[in-house]
Amino acid sequence: DGGITQSPKYLFRKEGQNVTLSCEQNLNHDAMYWYRQDPGQGLRLIYYSQIVNDFQKGDIAEGYSVSREKKESFPLTVTSAQKNPTAFYLCASSIGWSSYEQYFGPGTRLTVT
Amino acid sequence: SQELEQSPQSLIVQEGKNLTINCTSSKTLYGLYWYKQKYGEGLIFLMMLQKGGEEKSHEKITAKLDEKKQQSSLHITASQPSHAGIYLCGASNDRLTFGEGTQLTVNP
Repeated sequence: DGGITQSPKYLFRKEGQNVTLSCEQNLNHDAMYWYRQDPGQGLRLIYYSQIVNDFQKGDIAEGYSVSREKKESFPLTVTSAQKNPTAFYLCASSIGWSSYEQYFGPGTRLTVT
Repeated sequence: SQELEQSPQSLIVQEGKNLTINCTSSKTLYGLYWYKQKYGEGLIFLMMLQKGGEEKSHEKITAKLDEKKQQSSLHITASQPSHAGIYLCGASNDRLTFGEGTQLTVNP
């Protein structure tokens, strides 16, 4: 079955450490996205990629980095520069950019202490 | 940037009751999406609306987009505990932006 996988489901890190969240899709989608969700808030866009080897900053990119070396994969690194990294992170993909239904992964809950 | 306001923020209903969730935009909506999220999980696509006055239904859930394309409503008929979750509206103009969500609880 096609879909998006994120791993791990739960992640714990000490403050000051970088951590990488995995996102893989086998839907043959060109566009991929990373969102952050905090309690009581909607989703905020961190980074997006319209095509392989290209990515753009979203609304809250500071303290995060991404890569898009393969169509299927869009890993997100939360760096030590991110001031409030504890959150629920969601990855999504769509056939094309912007006006297409986005398919979401199950999410990764990151806790930094 | 597009801002979406959802109301109510939370809703508690008795099983079998009807309910409505609203999503209002500060700009014209060229594509309006409704998603459902179980706590701690990813989003599940429900429906997409694009034309003014458009209405779509899936099982007991109906979504409408008003003629002016600035407001959408999601209506659930005869709610069930399986309808519980967070409902988010999203709008696609230059990028997909989301409302803050409506937390729905359905008591048996």
